[in-house]
Amino acid sequence: SQQGEEDPQALSIQEGENATMNCSYKTSINNLQWYRQNSGRGLVHLILIRSNEREKHSGRLRVTLDTSKKSSSLLITASRAADTASYFCATDMIYNQGGKLIFGQGTELSVKP
Amino acid sequence: DAGVIQSPRHEVTEMGQEVTLRCKPISGHNSLFWYRQTMMRGLELLIYFNNNVPIDDSGMPEDRFSAKMPNASFSTLKIQPSEPRDSAVYFCASSKTGELFFGEGSRLTVL
Repeated sequence: SQQGEEDPQALSIQEGENATMNCSYKTSINNLQWYRQNSGRGLVHLILIRSNEREKHSGRLRVTLDTSKKSSSLLITASRAADTASYFCATDMIYNQGGKLIFGQGTELSVKP
Repeated sequence: DAGVIQSPRHEVTEMGQEVTLRCKPISGHNSLFWYRQTMMRGLELLIYFNNNVPIDDSGMPEDRFSAKMPNASFSTLKIQPSEPRDSAVYFCASSKTGELFFGEGSRLTVL
């Protein structure tokens, strides 16, 4: 069963604009992670935010986590055509053994030059 | 670092045939995961190992699927017999500190 649900399913923006993707989940977590997948490739880890953290930055990426609402958002600032990809959130649920990650369905981002 | 290596990258087979997918995790990583990705179902976790021991195989769809990890540097996912609904991209990922490193996937087509 899916733990995370991303919103929107697809997003199309112009280069230079910001892109915001949201993720909601159902059960308590140890951490939440965001991954990127270019077409035909494997997933690449972007950022991990722990349950006791509220915000984290990495370059042009900003992730927030609201455990009371069981939701997270990924903001990509000043987007580039090269940011075109699918973005997935993944949750490490609190009763997991060994870091089992459950992925959402993803947001497909298209950045037009 | 070579990253997670999967083989084959593409496999086309006929229904009823045995399929074996292979994975070499990153050296030093102690967790290994097998995921399946389809348009309809997204990314599904099939099975994962810690220190070569299967921890959770609840995602393995049927007895036709089996996975092994005989040592820290090699894992296989076997489907026998294969069916058209097994067509998907199968990903292997390894981890040491919680973030997953994915291979490029094995695209399986069962005719």
